[in-house]
Amino acid sequence: ILNVEQSPQSLHVQEGDSTNFTCSFPSSNFYALHWYRWETAKSPEALFVMTLNGDEKKKGRISATLNTKEGYSYLYIKGSQPEDSATYLCAFMRNNNNDMRFGAGTRLTVKP
Amino acid sequence: EAQVTQNPRYLITVTGKKLTVTCSQNMNHEYMSWYRQDPGLGLRQIYYSMNVEVTDKGDVPEGYKVSRKEKRNFPLILESPSPNQTSLYFCASSLSPRGFYGYTFGSGTRLTVV
Repeated sequence: ILNVEQSPQSLHVQEGDSTNFTCSFPSSNFYALHWYRWETAKSPEALFVMTLNGDEKKKGRISATLNTKEGYSYLYIKGSQPEDSATYLCAFMRNNNNDMRFGAGTRLTVKP
Repeated sequence: EAQVTQNPRYLITVTGKKLTVTCSQNMNHEYMSWYRQDPGLGLRQIYYSMNVEVTDKGDVPEGYKVSRKEKRNFPLILESPSPNQTSLYFCASSLSPRGFYGYTFGSGTRLTVV
């Protein structure tokens, strides 16, 4: 079974705090890693697609890094705002497979 | 507007009564997939399709069927639903089947089987 692990499971921060969370995946046969933002009562929305070791992506206050050799990706949020409150999902695809495996997500709550 | 449309949004049904959840995308995407989401678990893939008439099992295909007769549609069929299929279901599509592009998700279908 191919496990994609996300930590922490949940996180509560104050408005203005910077935060980060982790996605761990098997380091062999890496093909692609996705990050999604999932707000309550909505559908997941793609944040980043990362395919190369050392990739760094940024969108506004949110950024992500990728280390395929050790099998992890970090998502960073700088200066968290209440509207950043959501579940952040990562998903991993292997080189020799066509299915995308999702982690259980990190639920972020930003308090005003 | 580019989107994935799922119907219905909510459905309550009885054990054994066949049902279909529809999924349609207007982006000419090759790849489509169905996921279920249960508390404490990640999105788990049920079936996926690389293109018309090409479908494959995901992690949890038991009790489900799919078809891909047209590029835009990918219905999920539960021939004889059971209570353990109570879940939140998402359809997703992508331009490329190989993960180079992010997935576009439908708005979800909350299914309850009693």
